[in-house]
Amino acid sequence: QMQLVQSGAEVKKTGSSVKVSCKASGYTFTYRYLHWVRQAPGQALEWMGWITPFNGNTNYAQKFQDRVTITRDRSMSTAYMELSSLRSEDTAMYYCASPQDPEGAFDIWGQGTMVTVSS
Amino acid sequence: QSVLTQPPSASGTPGQRVTISCSGSSSNIGSNTVNWYQQLPGTAPKLLIYSNNQRPSGVPDRFSGSKSGTSASLAISGLQSEDEADYYCAAWDDSLNVHVVFGGGTKLTVL
Repeated sequence: QMQLVQSGAEVKKTGSSVKVSCKASGYTFTYRYLHWVRQAPGQALEWMGWITPFNGNTNYAQKFQDRVTITRDRSMSTAYMELSSLRSEDTAMYYCASPQDPEGAFDIWGQGTMVTVSS
Repeated sequence: QSVLTQPPSASGTPGQRVTISCSGSSSNIGSNTVNWYQQLPGTAPKLLIYSNNQRPSGVPDRFSGSKSGTSASLAISGLQSEDEADYYCAAWDDSLNVHVVFGGGTKLTVL
C-alpha cells in the first residue's frame, strides 16, 4: 500500500538546522507532489511547502520562505525538509503528506517527526 | 491565527448528529474545494472528506461534507465514541502564492 515513512525525532539547539526525511513506497515517487505540514503542541496544522519530485520544483509558504528548503532524491524515493535558524517556536511535529492530484486532498500522511528546539 | 475559521469545540451524545463549520474567503473556499481531516489523539491526520463532499474508501457514510459560497461544513450523524477527535478543514488558497490553508481545528467530544 502507499506509504510515507519519516525519520526519527530530533532535538536541536536554537539557531541550528534540522533535516527531516520522508521515504515513499507503494507508488511511483515522481507521480505525486510531496508536501510538508507542521503542528506545534496543541496547535493547528500549518502548511510549509511542497516539492514536485519529478523535476524538483518547489513552492514555499511565505512565512518559511527564508528558512525552509525542500529537496528530493529520486533514486531513494525520498523527500527532505530542512529548516534553518531554529527557534523555540519551531518545536512541533512535522508531517509529510501527498495529494491524490496536484491540487487535491492529502490522502497519504507520514507518521510525523517530532522536532524539539531548546537553548 | 488560522486562515480558515472553525469553532474550537463541539460535542454531542452517542447517536446524535453534529455539524462543524468552516469559514473562509473568496481566495480559498470561494474558489477551491474543501477537504476535511480527522486527527485522533497522538496520530497523524487522516483524510475524511475531499472535494467538498466525497468520502475516501473506508470512511463511513455517517460523515458528510457540504460547501456553499465561502463556507463549508462537516456533518457527523449517528455519533459514536470513536469519533472523538480533532477535525480540520483545508483548502487551497489562490492569494499571492498558491498554497494550502487549514482551519484552527475543532475538538469533538462525545459525551
